[in-house]
Amino acid sequence: GESVGLHLPTLSVQEGDNSIINCAYSNSASDYFIWYKQESGKGPQFIIDIRSNMDKRQGQRVTVLLNKTVKHLSLQIAATQPGDSAVYFCAEKGGSEKLVFGKGTKLTVNP
Amino acid sequence: GAGVSQSPSNKVTEKGKDVELRCDPISGHTALYWYRQRLGQGLEFLIYFQGNSAPDKSGLPSDRFSAERTGESVSTLTIQRTQQEDSAVYLCASSTGTHDPYTFGSGTRLTVV
Repeated sequence: GESVGLHLPTLSVQEGDNSIINCAYSNSASDYFIWYKQESGKGPQFIIDIRSNMDKRQGQRVTVLLNKTVKHLSLQIAATQPGDSAVYFCAEKGGSEKLVFGKGTKLTVNP
Repeated sequence: GAGVSQSPSNKVTEKGKDVELRCDPISGHTALYWYRQRLGQGLEFLIYFQGNSAPDKSGLPSDRFSAERTGESVSTLTIQRTQQEDSAVYLCASSTGTHDPYTFGSGTRLTVV
């Protein structure tokens, strides 16, 4: 069945460092992947997406890497800032119209 | 509107009562989704509407849960005879298509006492 999970439930980094948040997925038919950021008391906010015909996509300070061979997705945040502190969710879509979300990684940025 | 609007933002109800949650999607978004998020957990799919097609209800946890959508506008999620395990944040999202990101509302925090 479809499932998306994360390797680490929490991640703590120093301000200015780069952050890497990992995600594993199990549905080889998934062809669309998204990263969301959720701050306390708010709905998830779109960060970046990637389709399965790509291996890498860059945004502003963020990069998503997709490795279809091992079904792994990662989010890299450059020069992490205190405002990046949040829970990050990966999600996948494949074979159905709904996104399947992982449990999330809580990122804490220490000043 | 500029974003997805949900109301109420908070709802406290007594066990056994019915509740109705409302979602106003972004204008022009044909797809609308409801998810449930329990405290400290990920997002659990409930139901999906796409245009005039039959909704995908595969995520509804019991027959106490139902949802409606009028055309491509407002949707309501109804929970009958609420139970304490229904306490969660109910999130609504809308999108324009299959490979387009969802835009989420801020959610309705439901507490059943």
